[in-house]
Amino acid sequence: QVHLQESGPGLLKPSETLSLTCTVSGYSISSGYYWGWIRQPPGKGLEWIGIIYPSKNTFYSPSLTSRLTISIDTSKNQFSLKLTSVTAADTALYYCARYSGAYNWFDPWGQGTLVTVSS
Amino acid sequence: QSVLTQPPSVSAAPGQRVTISCSGSYSNIGNNYVSWYQQLPGTAPKLLIYDNNKRPSEIPDRFSGSKSGTSATLGIAGLQTGDEADYYCGSWDSSLNVAVFGGGTKLTVL
Repeated sequence: QVHLQESGPGLLKPSETLSLTCTVSGYSISSGYYWGWIRQPPGKGLEWIGIIYPSKNTFYSPSLTSRLTISIDTSKNQFSLKLTSVTAADTALYYCARYSGAYNWFDPWGQGTLVTVSS
Repeated sequence: QSVLTQPPSVSAAPGQRVTISCSGSYSNIGNNYVSWYQQLPGTAPKLLIYDNNKRPSEIPDRFSGSKSGTSATLGIAGLQTGDEADYYCGSWDSSLNVAVFGGGTKLTVL
């Protein structure tokens, strides 16, 4: 069974860099599929952040692309997110998930990790 | 504002059937597969429907999906109180090269 687990600091100050890692178990991420990040501000809907393929091909949300880097480490079976210059607007639950690609589904999802940006 | 449009809320009585609509455009729903997700309170979203109308093996057949043109619909039959959740549709937008979600619909089982 495929399982994803997010990890990273839960509290940041404005202008700092958000770094999150998603550790995948039960499946080798180098075997295929895209791997992605989605966030959900408190009380709001889902916002797609970006995806990465094992070949390191990436797609990013246009609204975040200038601050965003998604990377993948197949040796550790992990992929990561870095978001620079965070503000309060980046406060959200951050989820990682496996993405099917052309069939457009995310499954499974990690349990999510809350990131709060506050001075 | 979300690329895909869903009603903010729907409600129905236990045992009844409810539908949730998801409206998009030619560049997303019109030319790409649609998926649906259920988010129970305090939990991560869970895949409910994929490839417009297919169910993962663990999802009961009370849940169904359909697509026509630039719109998609999630149907839930035999409503149970445990179905109270937020439901999201998703697709890919070929013009923007991004994955897109609807704004979410809160289902209340009265």
